[in-house]
Amino acid sequence: DAGVIQSPRHEVTEMGQEVTLRCKPISGHNSLFWYRQTMMRGLELLIYFNNNVPIDDSGMPEDRFSAKMPNASFSTLKIQPSEPRDSAVYFCASSYGSGVYEQYFGPGTRLTVT
Amino acid sequence: ILNVEQSPQSLHVQEGDSTNFTCSFPSSNFYALHWYRWETAKSPEALFVMTLNGDEKKKGRISATLNTKEGYSYLYIKGSQPEDSATYLCAFTTGKLIFGQGTTLQVKP
Repeated sequence: DAGVIQSPRHEVTEMGQEVTLRCKPISGHNSLFWYRQTMMRGLELLIYFNNNVPIDDSGMPEDRFSAKMPNASFSTLKIQPSEPRDSAVYFCASSYGSGVYEQYFGPGTRLTVT
Repeated sequence: ILNVEQSPQSLHVQEGDSTNFTCSFPSSNFYALHWYRWETAKSPEALFVMTLNGDEKKKGRISATLNTKEGYSYLYIKGSQPEDSATYLCAFTTGKLIFGQGTTLQVKP
């Protein structure tokens, strides 16, 4: 199994531009999570999906952030417009379910907004 | 607001030392407690998922215990090795994971 796949691995963009991060979960996993890692706040959950349905998006910072999961094998996290304070590492993780199942993390996307 | 506290924040030990760290979490509405190991420039990797009070889990030289009534979990590393150097995260879940800030362990050869 290839594990959780994220693309791109690095993204450098200018303030105001749209950024789209992509994630392919492990086949057979029905839960998908988007996290953001910053020095100040550590690892924080942005949103998670069960069976492609968003369950909790309370961690999404503001309306500039949106996430979709059109099918079981693909999810996107979009930031529009991007701001310098969005610079962080964004991780996608998947699991067989939320709660009692361990999560498998992708390699992360390092986003820099200048 | 659910809060997960880990201590110490960082730890430096010599190779061969045994060490342990603490994770404190809300004792009400407990569902599960996760431990992850996070090496620099890599992604977090699951160590244990614990659900029952009194649970003890072991993987090689690493073990963990769980007390849900008082809201804490301990992670133990026996005979630390340089390759154990990493940040160890615990996460409390009520469905979604809430991570602590982690304990960063540095093992000196």
